[in-house]
Amino acid sequence: DARVTQTPRDKVTEMGQEVTMRCQPILGHNTVFWYRQTMKQGLELLAYFRNRAPLDDSGMPKDRFSAEMPDATLATLKIQPSEPRDSAVYFCASGGQGGAYNEQFFGPGTRLTVL
Amino acid sequence: KQEVTQIPAALSVPEGENLVLNCSFTDSAIYNLQWFRQDPGKGLTSLLLIQSSQREQTSGRLNASLDKSSGRSTLYIAASQPGDSATYLCAVVLKPQYSSASKIIFGSGTRLSIRP
Repeated sequence: DARVTQTPRDKVTEMGQEVTMRCQPILGHNTVFWYRQTMKQGLELLAYFRNRAPLDDSGMPKDRFSAEMPDATLATLKIQPSEPRDSAVYFCASGGQGGAYNEQFFGPGTRLTVL
Repeated sequence: KQEVTQIPAALSVPEGENLVLNCSFTDSAIYNLQWFRQDPGKGLTSLLLIQSSQREQTSGRLNASLDKSSGRSTLYIAASQPGDSATYLCAVVLKPQYSSASKIIFGSGTRLSIRP
């Protein structure tokens, strides 16, 4: 069953705490995207990787956000320190060899609430 | 700056009707356009991907068209069913002029409700 998986599905944390979200792309996909969705801003691209190297992270607040791909089966998005304005649903998506030019497959998302 | 607009924001139609959802973009230099559906509390499901060289794509009751010159794409849903109720989003992929990374811009979506 080829799906993108994300953990945790829900996270509630206090302001100032570190948050780590994980994503397992579809096996064989070499492009991973991180998005954030809020009612106000809609869906925004934070960063994406191809072959584990960051291609574009211009949408990500660099002072507190970091994204990595330790290996081909795991992508992480970390927020340190977290703030209430980071509350959103964070989606991971993966795609094939063509990078952003290929079809994207989304995970179920991580709903983050920062109190 | 590329902007992607979806109008209307919400649409309600009776079951069985054919309908069209719209997606407009300001910069015609796109590589492709993708349509997704999103059910409440869920991730996005890919529906159709149209490359810039294509005019349309079809999958079952869905047909997506692309007119780059006018900056428009439409998603046609035939014989609508209550199960089609969801939010439909379009996304364009474009390459900025002085960057090696493509940009991906999503529209804000059209919330579709099919009345039984």
